[in-house]
Amino acid sequence: QVQLQESGPGLVKPSETLSLRCSVSGDSISSNYWSWIRQPPGKGLEWIGYISYSGSTNYNPSLESRVTISADTSKNQFSLKLRSVSAADTAVYFCAREVNKSFDSWGQGTLVIVSS
Amino acid sequence: EIVMTQSPAPLSVSPGERATLSCRASQSVSNNLAWYQRKPGQAPRLLIYGASTRATGIPARFSGSGSGIEFTLTISSLQSEDFAVYYCQQYNNWPYTFGQGTKLEIK
Repeated sequence: QVQLQESGPGLVKPSETLSLRCSVSGDSISSNYWSWIRQPPGKGLEWIGYISYSGSTNYNPSLESRVTISADTSKNQFSLKLRSVSAADTAVYFCAREVNKSFDSWGQGTLVIVSS
Repeated sequence: EIVMTQSPAPLSVSPGERATLSCRASQSVSNNLAWYQRKPGQAPRLLIYGASTRATGIPARFSGSGSGIEFTLTISSLQSEDFAVYYCQQYNNWPYTFGQGTKLEIK
């Protein structure tokens, strides 16, 4: 059974870079697609982007100028970097496995607050 | 981007009764639609993909239907563990987009 676990700072200052890591067990990130999704407090889910088994990436145009998703296959982890954050980036961030374009496995999520 | 609109919000139903949740797309997404269940403090769980195919381990009381722009998630006989927030998601076009969610409440 595949398991995903997000990790990273829970508090980030405005204008700085949010960095999160997703550790995957039970599957190899060298297969399938691996996404980041977030949910601001009281709002809906927003897809941030994915990295594929081959290392190609695809980002939500609304965030594309600030986002980088990368992978470390030796550790079976993938990461999210979101630059120049503001309070609007406060959210629960999830990592998820994408199979046939739907998300069949998710991490528990990690709350990131942007505040000085 | 495609906007997904869910209704009603919220939905109050008694245990044992049927719940019908709707999702409408701003343009056709064919059958490229998924449904998720989210409970407080838990990760979302995939229920349905391809508009009508149950994901692994999902009980038969959950069913999905629709294509194009109108979709429905039906829970045939509500169990206590089914009270949660439900989201639809289209994956016909990038960026993938989700509905705002329907909270299913105990009546």
